[in-house]
Amino acid sequence: EADIYQTPRYLVIGTGKKITLECSQTMGHDKMYWYQQDPGMELHLIHYSYGVNSTEKGDLSSESTVSRIRTEHFPLTLESARPSHTSQYLCASKGSGETQYFGPGTRLLVL
Amino acid sequence: QKEVEQNSGPLSVPEGAIASLNCTYSDRGSQSFFWYRQYSGKSPELIMFIYSNGDKEDGRFTAQLNKASQYVSLLIRDSQPSDSATYLCAVNIVSNDMRFGAGTRLTVKP
Repeated sequence: EADIYQTPRYLVIGTGKKITLECSQTMGHDKMYWYQQDPGMELHLIHYSYGVNSTEKGDLSSESTVSRIRTEHFPLTLESARPSHTSQYLCASKGSGETQYFGPGTRLLVL
Repeated sequence: QKEVEQNSGPLSVPEGAIASLNCTYSDRGSQSFFWYRQYSGKSPELIMFIYSNGDKEDGRFTAQLNKASQYVSLLIRDSQPSDSATYLCAVNIVSNDMRFGAGTRLTVKP
């Protein structure tokens, strides 16, 4: 089982602010993912990475950006938060096995 | 056509009954299949996974695969109110990445 951490767990912020959601895993997994999920709705893949210096956009268009400078760290940044960004953001990782493991999520509310 | 499809439910069963959840997938090359449980407001947690070579039983949970028809099922025996959650089906696609279904909401009534 992977140890994967997300901070903050909850964030309330005003429109126009820049925010970074942190995701870290301690299992040395190469693959990491960001999903966006509204309450009661399906997961949408917004970014993924297959290793250091590798990032790709997912299936859902997003105004966020990601970076992967270290294997264990995969932060997601919103340059200018808007109310439409209000959602839950889930980070996941996968190692040499086939299972994705999820972090606890960050619930974002943009006023 | 979505790569992984599930009936969104809600599926309601009485306590002690068998809950049957299904999903279909489109990639014939898929070799591994996963069921995640997600409680409201929480992140998905893996319940079990199976490979294309057979079914699997783990306690009250059984995952079954029908490759010819391209569907995967999850049976929950002796359903408990604590099983009430959304169940996500996920499939590894040929590129070795994972696709999730939209989930089926299960309610177990005492």
